[in-house]
Amino acid sequence: GAVVSQHPSRVICKSGTSVKIECRSLDFQATTMFWYRQFPKQSLMLMATSNEGSKATYEQGVEKDKFLINHASLTLSTLTVTSAHPEDSSFYICSARSTSGGLDEQFFGPGTRLTVL
Amino acid sequence: QKEVEQNSGPLSVPEGAIASLNCTYSDRVSQSFFWYRQYSGKSPELIMSIYSNGDKEDGRFTAQLNKASQYVSLLIRDSQPSDSATYLCAVKGTDSWGKLQFGAGTQVVVTP
Repeated sequence: GAVVSQHPSRVICKSGTSVKIECRSLDFQATTMFWYRQFPKQSLMLMATSNEGSKATYEQGVEKDKFLINHASLTLSTLTVTSAHPEDSSFYICSARSTSGGLDEQFFGPGTRLTVL
Repeated sequence: QKEVEQNSGPLSVPEGAIASLNCTYSDRVSQSFFWYRQYSGKSPELIMSIYSNGDKEDGRFTAQLNKASQYVSLLIRDSQPSDSATYLCAVKGTDSWGKLQFGAGTQVVVTP
């Protein structure tokens, strides 16, 4: 399968600071990437859809001014958690959509575990 | 009614046996279906995709799709302790971005 990386894998920050998470598709171009959040023992929750060259589309209840998404190239999307608070502590996972070879599949990055103190 | 439904488990399977996981979906026009495996503390990993009615085999995994019954399943043959994980069923929606609707996942525990 295709490879998606995320950086950093783990981050601890103080309340009120901003954290940027990078998601890269390493061996394919992804016009669409997705950002998910997952709390312990809960299901994946889609936060937003990131499209290269256009504004992200946020799911209902997700604050677009708090979770800034930039999809600057066909291989890179970033999620910035602004003014993070302890309730933002979670596992953030991106996925990238691959449409090569006539297939249409999503591959996940390894995730970023955010802890806000 | 949830769009994608799975039994949450846990599904306890003896080592070497077949694990059978089921998933139903509500959107009749869905065309693409996926199974992801998620180990505790890790991100999901795509293990199977299926687009046509019938069976699709890949190693010890077999996906089965029945669009008329809106049902997709995953069989894991010769289950190993390393198969212990949560298995997520995903259905691609009809939006142009290809968003996936995920089930809540079925936890599988393979006992030696």
